[in-house]
Amino acid sequence: ELKVEQNPLFLSMQEGKNYTIYCNYSTTSDRLYWYRQDPGKSLESLFVLLSNGAVKQEGRLMASLDTKARLSTLHITAAVHDLSATYFCAVDTGPGNTPLVFGKGTRLSVIA
Amino acid sequence: DVKVTQSSRYLVKRTGEKVFLECVQDMDHENMFWYRQDPGLGLRLIYFSYDVKMKEKGDIPEGYSVSREKKERFSLILESASTNQTSMYLCASRTLLTGRGTFYEQYFGPGTRLTVT
Repeated sequence: ELKVEQNPLFLSMQEGKNYTIYCNYSTTSDRLYWYRQDPGKSLESLFVLLSNGAVKQEGRLMASLDTKARLSTLHITAAVHDLSATYFCAVDTGPGNTPLVFGKGTRLSVIA
Repeated sequence: DVKVTQSSRYLVKRTGEKVFLECVQDMDHENMFWYRQDPGLGLRLIYFSYDVKMKEKGDIPEGYSVSREKKERFSLILESASTNQTSMYLCASRTLLTGRGTFYEQYFGPGTRLTVT
């Protein structure tokens, strides 16, 4: 059974600081997804990482994938308040019609 | 724009009532999903459907059933609502994209916050 673990689950960080969220998974996969959920809203896709060494960046967020270590990271650079949200990673066990397996989410709060 | 819509944003029901949560997507996606989201527990998969009239149990199907008579619509049914089914319910649909890699593009609806009293 695939397990996806995120840490930390809660993160309070000051504006301007850097931090990393970690996503570990238990079985082989080369497709990993990051989603963002703003308070009271639904999930929106952030990144899709499709191979070992894949790196995607948008604004102050950068995601990477190490399939050998079964680890993805979401790095936040110079945090701003607008990044406050819950971030989920999800792993695709494929092939076939298998559901994504989600981590429990990291609730990020950026404070002044 | 892909749209996944859910019939209600907020719903209050009494214990023992039969509850229907409706989800509609407009992108002809084959796969559809129902999750519940609770604080500290993340997203938990209730049921999913690969195609019309097909359904598969997820991680927590007890107390729920589903119906998919048309491709665009996936309904979640609480046969006899209980207080422990008070939660946020999220519907999602997805398609498999190919091109520069093969991956799922999954979209979520806005959610239905159900309270059972």
